Amino acid sequence: EDQVTQSPEALRLQEGESSSLNCSYTVSGLRGLFWYRQDPGKGPEFLFTLYSAGEEKEKERLKATLTKKESFLHITAPKPEDSATYLCAPQRGGATNKLIFGTGTLLAVQP
Amino acid sequence: DAGVTQSPTHLIKTRGQHVTLRCSPISGHKSVSWYQQVLGQGPQFIFQYYEKEERGRGNFPDRFSARQFPNYSSELNVNALLLGDSALYLCASSLVGLAGAWSTGELFFGEGSRLTVL
Repeated sequence: EDQVTQSPEALRLQEGESSSLNCSYTVSGLRGLFWYRQDPGKGPEFLFTLYSAGEEKEKERLKATLTKKESFLHITAPKPEDSATYLCAPQRGGATNKLIFGTGTLLAVQP
Repeated sequence: DAGVTQSPTHLIKTRGQHVTLRCSPISGHKSVSWYQQVLGQGPQFIFQYYEKEERGRGNFPDRFSARQFPNYSSELNVNALLLGDSALYLCASSLVGLAGAWSTGELFFGEGSRLTVL
């Protein structure tokens, strides 16, 4: 059965304090792994897709990496505007583009 | 460029009623998916439609149904509403590659329709 676990559930950082969020997954036939940012009451905002182990992608203060069992979202020198819930979602290959979401990590960055 | 648009943004229903939610995908996107997000959880897959045909269905009861129109917009219908149907309903659109190869796999979400069932 497909499983996605994100940790920690919540993370509080001081502005400028770098850290990493973890996404562990068990999904057969992985096609890609997606990261989204979600602000309260809003829809998820696309950040990255990773397709193969060893791949890395960067966007501003965020860098996502992928292994065969985990993905990490590294946040370097975060700012208060980075506060949001970060969702990880593996996608299995097949006839649909269904995403299997974790419960997310709620990040709060204090000035 | 317009993103994925959903309507209504908020609605309140009572148990047993029916609801219809609407979604317009990004221009050029032919696939629409629906997700349910209960407070504190990640989105859960309900349906995917492509070229007006159902491509996939999640683990939801038959009270949930959907369709896609020739202009690629979509409706999600929920009958006999239960308290547990209260959630944020998200629509996502995507480009579809040839022969099932998802050459551009990114799904772009709308802001959602917040349904409260009393």
